[in-house]
Amino acid sequence: AQTVTQSQPEMSVQEAETVTLSCTYDTSENNYYLFWYKQPPSRQMILVIRQEAYKQQNATENRFSVNFQKAAKSFSLKISDSQLGDTAMYFCAFMKHATGNTPLVFGKGTRLSVIA
Amino acid sequence: DTGVSQDPRHKITKRGQNVTFRCDPISEHNRLYWYRQTLGQGPEFLTYFQNEAQLEKSRLLSDRFSAERPKGSFSTLEIQRTEQGDSAMYLCASSLSMVRGTEAFFGQGTRLTVV
Repeated sequence: AQTVTQSQPEMSVQEAETVTLSCTYDTSENNYYLFWYKQPPSRQMILVIRQEAYKQQNATENRFSVNFQKAAKSFSLKISDSQLGDTAMYFCAFMKHATGNTPLVFGKGTRLSVIA
Repeated sequence: DTGVSQDPRHKITKRGQNVTFRCDPISEHNRLYWYRQTLGQGPEFLTYFQNEAQLEKSRLLSDRFSAERPKGSFSTLEIQRTEQGDSAMYLCASSLSMVRGTEAFFGQGTRLTVV
């Protein structure tokens, strides 16, 4: 079974600064995907960024980038130029690909507060 | 299509009552997932469907929980004889099964409070 661990329950960052959220996972699978999802207060969860395990290049999406270390089973999220709207719960998630996409396995989340 | 919708958004029920939640996925998505999220935790997978077929139900929390997707479109999650421990946010998500690594789109959830 896969597990996802987020060791930082809460973090805060000053507006315009950079913050890194940590995630480690455990799996014996070779074919999988990793995600960071954002859940703003009282709003639905949305995808921030996705990484394919077979790609060595780290994914980037505007101010969001990941540091994917496959051997170490580490998948951290870096948010640059933090904005007030980045305040949310952030969940790291794992998905293996078998006969089609499979249910996500989530970590417990990191609550990020961006301070003006 | 405005995304995944869930109804109701909030439900307060007395212990022992039955409740049913509805999820309408994005119309072209053939996979539909149910998760439960308790305070301070990440979503926990419950069950999922491909079209009308339920692919996994062993993760449903007890035999009081059941889910259906009768025509491969909307889905319902029913909890019978609710207990206080069932109080949680119930999330629905949908995706395309064979687009590799595609994201799951989530609804806003149904918050259940059992009193």
